[in-house]
Amino acid sequence: NAGVTQTPKFRVLKTGQSMTLLCAQDMNHEYMYWYRQDPGMGLRLIHYSVGEGTTAKGEVPDGYNVSRLKKQNFLLGLESAAPSQTSVYFCASSYGSALAATYEQYFGPGTRLTVT
Amino acid sequence: RKEVEQDPGPFNVPEGATVAFNCTYSNSASQSFFWYRQDCRKEPKLLMSVYSSGNEDGRFTAQLNRASQYISLLIRDSKLSDSATYLCVVNRNNTGKLIFGQGTTLQVKP
Repeated sequence: NAGVTQTPKFRVLKTGQSMTLLCAQDMNHEYMYWYRQDPGMGLRLIHYSVGEGTTAKGEVPDGYNVSRLKKQNFLLGLESAAPSQTSVYFCASSYGSALAATYEQYFGPGTRLTVT
Repeated sequence: RKEVEQDPGPFNVPEGATVAFNCTYSNSASQSFFWYRQDCRKEPKLLMSVYSSGNEDGRFTAQLNRASQYISLLIRDSKLSDSATYLCVVNRNNTGKLIFGQGTTLQVKP
């Protein structure tokens, strides 16, 4: 059981380049999330999804786009990378439904992104 | 003011010591509370959920005080392996969105 996986693990981009981070989960979770973690800031929610085909903005969505075409995958895109997007990116997933939501989140191992 | 606040520490304690962390939250409508553990350069992992009545898991005890809007984590008989950052997490308004504190770093020394 792989849980939550993220690719790539590391990436260095030049300013203005684009890239897509992939998150995959095999736990049949409805909810998926993208966070960034910066020193002294804690984890901040970028975007999230409550089900296949849905996405919503989190706390810091600017400069990022997401897609959830399949239930098990959640993609995070950077269209034009900036140095301020240098961070560690974590994907997470959880069960959730209107009737019996439980919000324990399971995290992937993270992607370390540097934008020069 | 941050929605979830923690003392970043570090807390340096000897093996076998008892250590307690507090966390305050500002949104009185918050419904669910958690402590996550994060090792250096690793992903956060759920340590325990925090229930209204308080709960205990081995050496770890979590307490919730809704009136004062704080959550605590007590670690007894500290082990070297307890060295990590402990994240206080709040579920705002019973949605799927969690708000993370910046974490409290614990260093347990021999």
